[in-house]
Amino acid sequence: SQTIHQWPATLVQPVGSPLSLECTVEGTSNPNLYWYRQAAGRGLQLLFYSVGIGQISSEVPQNLSASRPQDRQFILSSKKLLLSDSGFYLCAWGLEVTDTQYFGPGTRLTVL
Amino acid sequence: AQKITQTQPGMFVQEKEAVTLDCTYDTSDPSYGLFWYKQPSSGEMIFLIYQGSYDQQNATEGRYSLNFQKARKSANLVISASQLGDSAMYFCAMSCEDRGSQGNLIFGKGTKLSVKP
Repeated sequence: SQTIHQWPATLVQPVGSPLSLECTVEGTSNPNLYWYRQAAGRGLQLLFYSVGIGQISSEVPQNLSASRPQDRQFILSSKKLLLSDSGFYLCAWGLEVTDTQYFGPGTRLTVL
Repeated sequence: AQKITQTQPGMFVQEKEAVTLDCTYDTSDPSYGLFWYKQPSSGEMIFLIYQGSYDQQNATEGRYSLNFQKARKSANLVISASQLGDSAMYFCAMSCEDRGSQGNLIFGKGTKLSVKP
């Protein structure tokens, strides 16, 4: 069966510090991978998606970047965090175009 | 443009009763998928149920069923025999082929369901 992992689970970082969040998927090959952000009390906003190694598409221009160095690894990064980067970050995977997306447990990021 | 609307910010239901969470959608794409996710206080998004635009029958998964009315563009979630553990945020989402091959999900703003003992 497929599983998706995210770490860390929680993170408190000062403004201006770098960020690296990692997501890995097990039990499937060549998945589509997604990064979402959820602000407090809000719905999900798609940040990045990837259909293959090295292929990244950005939905919203911002202070963040993503990379996919391996088939089942997706990384969300920032060189300098802003206060507005605080939120709950969710990674998800899916296969076909209208297929279900399955989410990881999320990372709660607080930027102070 | 594709859009998901959930008009109920919060809902209350008595334990063991049924509850319907509303969702309407807008798309001009003939092929799309509709999803419901549950988000408990822990934050994880849990997939509940899926309905394809070409499916003739309403989807069911245990106590969850999706009341799909294509002409009205609605995809309401029905939870039967509510349990205290059903208290959570519920999100309706849609995936359309005309957004490209990525199957990106468009989410509604969610409904917070509270089950009373």
